[in-house]
Amino acid sequence: ETGVTQTPRHLVMGMTNKKSLKCEQHLGHNAMYWYKQSAKKPLELMFVYNFKEQTENNSVPSRFSPECPNSSHLFLHLHTLQPEDSALYLCASSHQHRQGDTEAFFGQGTRLTVV
Amino acid sequence: KQEVTQIPAALSVPEGENLVLNCSFTDSAIYNLQWFRQDPGKGLTSLLLIQSSQREQTSGRLNASLDKSSGRSTLYIAASQPGDSATYLCAYTDKLIFGTGTRLQVFP
Repeated sequence: ETGVTQTPRHLVMGMTNKKSLKCEQHLGHNAMYWYKQSAKKPLELMFVYNFKEQTENNSVPSRFSPECPNSSHLFLHLHTLQPEDSALYLCASSHQHRQGDTEAFFGQGTRLTVV
Repeated sequence: KQEVTQIPAALSVPEGENLVLNCSFTDSAIYNLQWFRQDPGKGLTSLLLIQSSQREQTSGRLNASLDKSSGRSTLYIAASQPGDSATYLCAYTDKLIFGTGTRLQVFP
């Protein structure tokens, strides 16, 4: 248990569905991240939030819509996805300060399959 | 573009060997560097964090070093065990930019 919880663990959705991934941390961190991990590819940073403000959007298609209502919760809203969006989606959190981040912790991920 | 490269991409060794995994990065202005392991289909587990003012960190059989001037970090695993089999990833802050990973298999 890392202190970062992701739900659901597995999700199968059709291309016309709308679903949301949830990430929650109670570590007192101020930064939260979404990553995509496809088979045989490195981890791709999607979004970064610091104190609820989005600080990074790594050219992610608009069919992925993040939401950060507070420093403890992060969502990824999904709509009209494509089969190539099937991947493991990982959430992480850390504490960012001027001298760099503290240790980052990851959730167990959501395995998403788009059919 | 910030890049992180890990060598080797894959490694298969017998139990008991001492191992060195390499991580190189292009941005010498990094703050901290962190090593993770990932088991298949799972999330990442933090192993060691080296802050920019430090040169190395140790935890059990693991030792990680950081040389910012040359843009390199190494993870040393002593007396490897089958339970060490996993993918090892390095990442530097800020933004947690990840390397491509080293897939390690330790066989009995």
